[in-house]
Amino acid sequence: AQTVTQSQPEMSVQEAETVTLSCTYDTSESDYYLFWYKQPPSRQMILVIRQEAYKQQNATENRFSVNFQKAAKSFSLKISDSQLGDAAMYFCAYLTGANSKLTFGKGITLSVRP
Amino acid sequence: DAGVTQSPTHLIKTRGQQVTLRCSPKSGHDTVSWYQQALGQGPQFIFQYYEEEERQRGNFPDRFSGHQFPNYSSELNVNALLLGDSALYLCASSLPWTGDMNTEAFFGQGTRLTVV
Repeated sequence: AQTVTQSQPEMSVQEAETVTLSCTYDTSESDYYLFWYKQPPSRQMILVIRQEAYKQQNATENRFSVNFQKAAKSFSLKISDSQLGDAAMYFCAYLTGANSKLTFGKGITLSVRP
Repeated sequence: DAGVTQSPTHLIKTRGQQVTLRCSPKSGHDTVSWYQQALGQGPQFIFQYYEEEERQRGNFPDRFSGHQFPNYSSELNVNALLLGDSALYLCASSLPWTGDMNTEAFFGQGTRLTVV
């Protein structure tokens, strides 16, 4: 069974600074997809960034980038120039084509200090 | 495009009762998945519907059942409610999996169910 581990329950960052959120996963599949979702107090899950496992190049979306280490099964999210609106819960998630269901980690609460 | 809509937003039920939650998928999406998110936890997959059939199911008891209608909307039913069923229930819609990232899942804002 696939598992996703987020070992840091909470993190805090100063506005305009950079923060990295960690995630590890376990799988025997060779083809899969990894995601970071943001869940603000409004509760709606919002996709932040995604990575295809077969791509060696790390995904980037504006201020958000990932460090994907396939051999280590590590998938961290870097948020640059942090903004107050980045404060939320962040979930790492995994998906394979075999079953197309998302497996989530427990999440991390990110706070941004003004 | 209204995106994924869920109703109701909040619900309080008594232990032993039954509840029905509803989800309308994003326009053009025909696959609906349901997730349970306990407080402070990540969402857990309940089941997925496609073409009005349950296509796959997570590790949830038979008290959890669902339905998908011809217009792709879906219902989640929970019978004999337990206190432990209190959670945020999220609905996600997508296109059928084709092996590419066009099958991104879009989530609704969830239904907060409290069992007392």
